Amino acid sequence: DGGITQSPKYLFRKEGQNVTLSCEQNLNHDAMYWYRQDPGQGLRLIYYSQIVNDFQKGDIAEGYSVSREKKESFPLTVTSAQKNPTAFYLCASSVSTANYGYTFGSGTRLTVV
Amino acid sequence: KNQVEQSPQSLIILEGKNCTLQCNYTVSPFSNLRWYKQDTGRGPVSLTIMTFSENTKSNGRYTATLDADTKQSSLHITASQLSDSASYICVVSAEPVRFGAGTRLTVKP
Repeated sequence: DGGITQSPKYLFRKEGQNVTLSCEQNLNHDAMYWYRQDPGQGLRLIYYSQIVNDFQKGDIAEGYSVSREKKESFPLTVTSAQKNPTAFYLCASSVSTANYGYTFGSGTRLTVV
Repeated sequence: KNQVEQSPQSLIILEGKNCTLQCNYTVSPFSNLRWYKQDTGRGPVSLTIMTFSENTKSNGRYTATLDADTKQSSLHITASQLSDSASYICVVSAEPVRFGAGTRLTVKP
Protein backbone atom coordinates (compact mmCIF):
# COMPACT_ATOMS: atom_id res chain seq x y z
CA ASP A 1 0.00 0.00 0.00
CA GLY A 2 1.20 3.51 -0.77
CA GLY A 3 1.69 5.89 2.08
CA ILE A 4 3.90 8.26 3.98
CA THR A 5 5.97 7.06 6.91
CA GLN A 6 7.45 9.14 9.69
CA SER A 7 9.95 7.88 12.21
CA PRO A 8 10.50 7.74 15.04
CA LYS A 9 7.08 8.20 16.64
CA TYR A 10 8.65 9.64 19.79
CA LEU A 11 11.98 11.42 20.05
CA PHE A 12 13.78 12.97 22.98
CA ARG A 13 16.42 15.65 22.55
CA LYS A 14 18.93 16.94 25.02
CA GLU A 15 19.78 20.62 25.15
CA GLY A 16 22.27 21.56 22.44
CA GLN A 17 21.67 18.44 20.37
CA ASN A 18 20.67 18.18 16.74
CA VAL A 19 18.10 15.53 15.88
CA THR A 20 16.74 14.34 12.54
CA LEU A 21 13.17 13.30 11.84
CA SER A 22 12.60 10.92 8.97
CA CYS A 23 9.86 11.17 6.34
CA GLU A 24 9.51 8.70 3.47
CA GLN A 25 6.72 8.39 0.91
CA ASN A 26 6.03 5.85 -1.83
CA LEU A 27 3.14 7.73 -3.41
CA ASN A 28 5.29 9.17 -6.20
CA HIS A 29 4.31 12.65 -4.98
CA ASP A 30 6.45 15.55 -6.14
CA ALA A 31 5.80 17.87 -3.21
CA MET A 32 6.64 17.28 0.44
CA TYR A 33 6.09 19.44 3.50
CA TRP A 34 7.02 19.69 7.16
CA TYR A 35 4.58 21.20 9.65
CA ARG A 36 4.80 21.88 13.33
CA GLN A 37 1.69 21.48 15.49
CA ASP A 38 1.35 23.11 18.90
CA PRO A 39 -1.73 22.96 21.16
CA GLY A 40 -4.40 25.50 20.23
CA GLN A 41 -2.67 26.54 17.02
CA GLY A 42 -3.09 25.63 13.39
CA LEU A 43 -0.33 23.75 11.64
CA ARG A 44 2.60 25.99 10.81
CA LEU A 45 4.77 25.38 7.77
CA ILE A 46 8.47 24.83 8.42
CA TYR A 47 9.85 23.86 5.00
CA TYR A 48 8.50 22.51 1.75
CA SER A 49 9.92 21.01 -1.41
CA GLN A 50 8.20 20.77 -4.76
CA ILE A 51 11.01 19.01 -6.59
CA VAL A 52 14.14 17.03 -5.82
CA ASN A 53 17.16 19.09 -4.79
CA ASP A 54 15.04 22.16 -4.16
CA PHE A 55 13.24 23.37 -1.06
CA GLN A 56 11.79 26.57 0.32
CA LYS A 57 11.46 28.06 3.78
CA GLY A 58 8.05 28.22 5.33
CA ASP A 59 6.75 30.52 8.04
CA ILE A 60 8.92 29.17 10.89
CA ALA A 61 12.11 27.83 9.28
CA GLU A 62 14.57 29.26 11.81
CA GLY A 63 16.38 26.53 13.70
CA TYR A 64 15.44 23.82 11.20
CA SER A 65 17.08 22.39 8.11
CA VAL A 66 15.99 19.94 5.41
CA SER A 67 17.30 18.11 2.37
CA ARG A 68 15.59 16.55 -0.65
CA GLU A 69 18.15 14.30 -2.30
CA LYS A 70 15.54 11.75 -3.33
CA LYS A 71 11.92 12.15 -4.37
CA GLU A 72 10.82 9.72 -1.69
CA SER A 73 12.62 11.29 1.25
CA PHE A 74 12.44 14.64 3.03
CA PRO A 75 14.25 14.52 6.41
CA LEU A 76 13.98 17.39 8.88
CA THR A 77 16.81 18.29 11.23
CA VAL A 78 15.95 20.22 14.37
CA THR A 79 19.12 22.07 15.29
CA SER A 80 20.27 23.41 18.62
CA ALA A 81 19.36 26.86 17.32
CA GLN A 82 15.66 25.98 17.68
CA LYS A 83 15.00 27.19 21.20
CA ASN A 84 11.57 25.68 21.70
CA PRO A 85 11.51 22.45 19.73
CA THR A 86 9.05 20.48 21.85
CA ALA A 87 6.09 19.89 19.52
CA PHE A 88 4.32 17.41 17.28
CA TYR A 89 5.86 17.35 13.79
CA LEU A 90 3.88 16.31 10.76
CA CYS A 91 5.23 15.46 7.33
CA ALA A 92 2.91 15.62 4.33
CA SER A 93 3.10 15.01 0.62
CA SER A 94 1.06 16.14 -2.35
CA VAL A 95 0.87 15.26 -6.04
CA SER A 96 2.28 18.61 -7.09
CA THR A 97 0.88 21.51 -5.13
CA ALA A 98 -1.10 21.67 -1.92
CA ASN A 99 -4.24 22.41 -3.95
CA TYR A 100 -4.44 18.68 -4.59
CA GLY A 101 -4.64 17.99 -0.87
CA TYR A 102 -2.20 16.39 1.49
CA THR A 103 -1.44 12.91 2.62
CA PHE A 104 -0.07 13.16 6.12
CA GLY A 105 2.31 10.94 8.02
CA SER A 106 1.46 9.77 11.53
CA GLY A 107 3.71 12.36 13.14
CA THR A 108 6.73 12.52 15.43
CA ARG A 109 6.47 13.91 18.93
CA LEU A 110 9.71 15.62 19.91
CA THR A 111 10.42 16.41 23.53
CA VAL A 112 13.39 18.28 24.97
CA VAL A 113 14.75 16.69 28.12
CA LYS B 1 -4.91 36.97 13.18
CA ASN B 2 -5.44 33.52 11.74
CA GLN B 3 -7.18 33.64 8.39
CA VAL B 4 -9.06 30.45 9.24
CA GLU B 5 -11.00 30.53 12.51
CA GLN B 6 -12.72 27.47 13.90
CA SER B 7 -15.36 27.24 16.60
CA PRO B 8 -15.95 25.98 19.12
CA GLN B 9 -12.46 25.24 20.35
CA SER B 10 -13.75 22.11 22.06
CA LEU B 11 -17.05 20.28 22.25
CA ILE B 12 -18.40 17.40 24.32
CA ILE B 13 -21.49 15.50 23.18
CA LEU B 14 -23.23 12.26 24.04
CA GLU B 15 -23.01 9.28 21.75
CA GLY B 16 -25.78 9.27 19.16
CA LYS B 17 -26.22 13.04 19.15
CA ASN B 18 -25.55 15.33 16.19
CA CYS B 19 -23.16 18.27 16.18
CA THR B 20 -21.97 21.04 13.90
CA LEU B 21 -18.48 22.52 13.75
CA GLN B 22 -17.83 25.93 12.24
CA CYS B 23 -15.07 27.36 10.08
CA ASN B 24 -14.87 31.04 9.13
CA TYR B 25 -12.19 32.15 6.74
CA THR B 26 -10.90 35.34 5.19
CA VAL B 27 -8.62 33.69 2.62
CA SER B 28 -9.53 34.68 -0.91
CA PRO B 29 -9.28 33.42 -3.56
CA PHE B 30 -8.91 29.72 -2.89
CA SER B 31 -9.19 26.55 -4.90
CA ASN B 32 -10.80 24.25 -2.35
CA LEU B 33 -11.72 23.84 1.29
CA ARG B 34 -11.10 20.59 3.12
CA TRP B 35 -12.05 19.12 6.44
CA TYR B 36 -9.60 16.73 8.09
CA LYS B 37 -10.04 14.42 11.08
CA GLN B 38 -7.04 14.02 13.36
CA ASP B 39 -6.98 11.33 16.01
CA THR B 40 -4.77 12.03 19.01
CA GLY B 41 -1.11 11.46 18.19
CA ARG B 42 -1.82 10.74 14.53
CA GLY B 43 -1.68 12.62 11.26
CA PRO B 44 -4.82 14.29 9.82
CA VAL B 45 -6.97 12.32 7.39
CA SER B 46 -9.10 14.00 4.73
CA LEU B 47 -12.88 13.82 5.22
CA THR B 48 -14.30 16.13 2.56
CA ILE B 49 -13.17 18.49 -0.14
CA MET B 50 -15.22 21.26 -1.72
CA THR B 51 -14.33 23.70 -4.47
CA PHE B 52 -15.48 27.28 -4.07
CA SER B 53 -18.46 26.58 -6.35
CA GLU B 54 -19.80 23.66 -4.29
CA ASN B 55 -22.29 24.08 -1.44
CA THR B 56 -22.28 20.68 0.20
CA LYS B 57 -20.37 17.43 0.25
CA SER B 58 -21.11 14.28 2.24
CA ASN B 59 -18.95 11.41 3.39
CA GLY B 60 -21.04 8.93 5.35
CA ARG B 61 -22.17 10.59 8.57
CA TYR B 62 -20.11 13.69 7.80
CA THR B 63 -21.62 16.53 5.77
CA ALA B 64 -19.70 19.67 4.94
CA THR B 65 -21.26 22.88 3.69
CA LEU B 66 -19.70 25.94 2.14
CA ASP B 67 -21.09 29.45 1.77
CA ALA B 68 -18.64 31.41 -0.35
CA ASP B 69 -20.61 34.64 0.13
CA THR B 70 -20.29 34.66 3.91
CA LYS B 71 -16.98 32.76 3.84
CA GLN B 72 -18.23 30.11 6.19
CA SER B 73 -18.04 26.36 6.19
CA SER B 74 -19.50 23.84 8.58
CA LEU B 75 -19.03 20.17 9.27
CA HIS B 76 -22.13 18.34 10.51
CA ILE B 77 -21.71 14.97 12.19
CA THR B 78 -24.81 12.82 12.42
CA ALA B 79 -25.48 10.10 15.00
CA SER B 80 -22.08 10.52 16.64
CA GLN B 81 -20.01 7.52 17.65
CA LEU B 82 -17.26 7.16 20.24
CA SER B 83 -14.77 6.86 17.38
CA ASP B 84 -15.66 10.38 16.24
CA SER B 85 -13.67 11.72 19.20
CA ALA B 86 -10.86 13.60 17.50
CA SER B 87 -9.78 17.04 16.35
CA TYR B 88 -11.39 18.37 13.19
CA ILE B 89 -9.34 20.77 11.11
CA CYS B 90 -10.55 23.14 8.42
CA VAL B 91 -8.00 23.76 5.66
CA VAL B 92 -8.26 26.37 2.92
CA SER B 93 -6.17 25.63 -0.17
CA ALA B 94 -4.78 28.96 -1.22
CA GLU B 95 -1.21 30.14 -1.62
CA PRO B 96 -0.06 29.38 1.01
CA VAL B 97 -2.38 26.77 2.48
CA ARG B 98 -4.09 27.96 5.66
CA PHE B 99 -5.01 25.70 8.57
CA GLY B 100 -7.53 26.32 11.30
CA ALA B 101 -6.52 25.48 14.86
CA GLY B 102 -9.12 22.74 14.98
CA THR B 103 -12.11 21.77 17.12
CA ARG B 104 -11.53 19.06 19.69
CA LEU B 105 -14.62 16.82 19.77
CA THR B 106 -15.22 14.35 22.59
CA VAL B 107 -18.06 11.87 22.28
CA LYS B 108 -19.11 10.33 25.60
CA PRO B 109 -21.16 7.15 26.10
